[in-house]
Amino acid sequence: GQNIDQPTEMTATEGAIVQINCTYQTSGFNGLFWYQQHAGEAPTFLSYNVLDGLEEKGRFSSFLSRSKGYSYLLLKELQMKDSASYLCAAHNAGNMLTFGGGTRLMVKP
Amino acid sequence: DAGVIQSPRHEVTEMGQEVTLRCKPISGHNSLFWYRQTMMRGLELLIYFNNNVPIDDSGMPEDRFSAKMPNASFSTLKIQPSEPRDSAVYFCASSLLAGDGQETQYFGPGTRLLVL
Repeated sequence: GQNIDQPTEMTATEGAIVQINCTYQTSGFNGLFWYQQHAGEAPTFLSYNVLDGLEEKGRFSSFLSRSKGYSYLLLKELQMKDSASYLCAAHNAGNMLTFGGGTRLMVKP
Repeated sequence: DAGVIQSPRHEVTEMGQEVTLRCKPISGHNSLFWYRQTMMRGLELLIYFNNNVPIDDSGMPEDRFSAKMPNASFSTLKIQPSEPRDSAVYFCASSLLAGDGQETQYFGPGTRLLVL
């Protein structure tokens, strides 16, 4: 079966760094997506990791370890607008995504 | 370039009524996905089409749900009869299955369904 785990909620301070972890157990794994979803809006694409290692994209970075079934999303220089839910999703060979429950991040001044 | 378009954006109906949700994928995309999102269950895949053909409908909750994709630019998700437990946000997403391994899915704005 498919199992994606991530923390339900996290709180961080404006200007700080936060790491959101995701562990997965899934068959036919292709890669790992991260999406951002603001309240009342649609998920929007942040990153996709296929190979092990860290991929940096501005203030956001994403890491994948295929052998450990583990990924994280790193957000630097946090801004108030980063308050949102962050969804990790495993991409399988059947071209489908299995989403975790999402991590609700609250950024405080 | 227009993104995924969904209609209606909001729907309030009474139990037992038929509900039809509509989706127009991004032009040129060949895969279309219907998801349901609730607080309790998160984002769940209902059905997935590739080149207008249903590939996986194992997420469709029961026979009350049906989905069609008559052409590359239009899909519907129908609930008949609707029940209060169907209340959720329904998202449509599309992607280009090109064999390059990424196939990023782009989501529409969603339809907020409330069944009374």
